[in-house]
Amino acid sequence: GAGVSQTPSNKVTEKGKYVELRCDPISGHTALYWYRQSLGQGPEFLIYFQGTGAADDSGLPNDRFFAVRPEGSVSTLKIQRTERGDSAVYLCASSLGQGASPLHFGNGTRLTVT
Amino acid sequence: QKEVEQNSGPLSVPEGAIASLNCTYSDRVSQSFFWYRQYSGKSPELIMSIYSNGDKEDGRFTAQLNKASQYVSLLIRDSQPSDSATYLCAVDISGGYQKVTFGTGTKLQVIP
Repeated sequence: GAGVSQTPSNKVTEKGKYVELRCDPISGHTALYWYRQSLGQGPEFLIYFQGTGAADDSGLPNDRFFAVRPEGSVSTLKIQRTERGDSAVYLCASSLGQGASPLHFGNGTRLTVT
Repeated sequence: QKEVEQNSGPLSVPEGAIASLNCTYSDRVSQSFFWYRQYSGKSPELIMSIYSNGDKEDGRFTAQLNKASQYVSLLIRDSQPSDSATYLCAVDISGGYQKVTFGTGTKLQVIP
């Protein structure tokens, strides 16, 4: 079946603008994760969902970042008042959410804030 | 102290040699451990998962887990140039609640 789909693949925005990044997980995967990866670093945990609810949002850096998953499938990561330091690759992953299920990653969205 | 620690490398090994990649983690409640491979410009892909103390082998890859020492490693036998990538150690640090945290990754270079 289809893998994790992220759109857009690239996003360039100006400082101060609002952006939305979309993730469509593998069908049937109840857990969905957002990570942020900067060059030369490992993926940095932001938030993960079990179903519709955010099970852990402790990685969101500040209140400019928000994520939703209203129907337990597609998720949107929203960033307000973007800053140059937000530039990174935003990775979405999904898993079965049971026991020790491995994560399956999308291709990421490369966000550039100018 | 970081929750998951790896040496960033680069680790250089000759083709055909064994590459040994190491990872330590800070939380004793951690139960699930994963190794991902990430090629430059690509997303991480799962190589191995391990949940119990001891060794787990899959082809040329062997994962080793020692919970008492809070240590997990990945051995790659008969290393090939195509194995050149960054290897990410990932740990469910929440004791089964699915919060998966990654290390910074070790860059492996296999020299032909």
